[in-house]
Amino acid sequence: AQSVTQLDSQVPVFEEAPVELRCNYSSSVSVYLFWYVQYPNQGLQLLLKYLSGSTLVKGINGFEAEFNKSQTSFHLRKPSVHISDTAEYFCAGSISGTYKYIFGTGTRLKVLA
Amino acid sequence: GAGVSQSPSNKVTEKGKDVELRCDPISGHTALYWYRQRLGQGLEFLIYFQGNSAPDKSGLPSDRFSAERTGESVSTLTIQRTQQEDSAVYLCASSLGVNNEQFFGPGTRLTVL
Repeated sequence: AQSVTQLDSQVPVFEEAPVELRCNYSSSVSVYLFWYVQYPNQGLQLLLKYLSGSTLVKGINGFEAEFNKSQTSFHLRKPSVHISDTAEYFCAGSISGTYKYIFGTGTRLKVLA
Repeated sequence: GAGVSQSPSNKVTEKGKDVELRCDPISGHTALYWYRQRLGQGLEFLIYFQGNSAPDKSGLPSDRFSAERTGESVSTLTIQRTQQEDSAVYLCASSLGVNNEQFFGPGTRLTVL
């Protein structure tokens, strides 16, 4: 079965520190991968996506992610976080050729002053 | 409009009542998706529309749930005889087509008392 796993339910980090949010997927075929951010009481906003090509993907708000096929991972990183990055982050995968997104359970990033 | 809109933003209802949730997708988007997000959990796929037809209803949790789409535009998700376990945020998304980025609405928070 296809699945997307986010290993950390909560990640506290101090402002201006680096952060990595982990995401692993299971698949025997090529996948499209996404990171979404959800601010309180808002919908999901796309941070970045991997469809093909370069394995290092840069997104909005200074975030980037690296697709690692051998480790079946798509971890999200930011070198220096801000208070405003406090939100819930969802990793999602879509098996190419299908329309369904499979979402992870989310990681709540809390940036501390 | 510029984005996906949903109404109402909040709905409180009594157990056993029927509710209708509305989604207005981005103009020109042929694909429309409904998801359910329970407190502290990831997004659960409910149903997908391509045009006005729903090729995949496999995510609907019971026969109390139904959805329709008219004019390749507005979609309505109906929950009959609501139960407390139906309490969740219901998110709608639209996309140009399969494997195109999904754009999410702000959601409808449903509370069943």
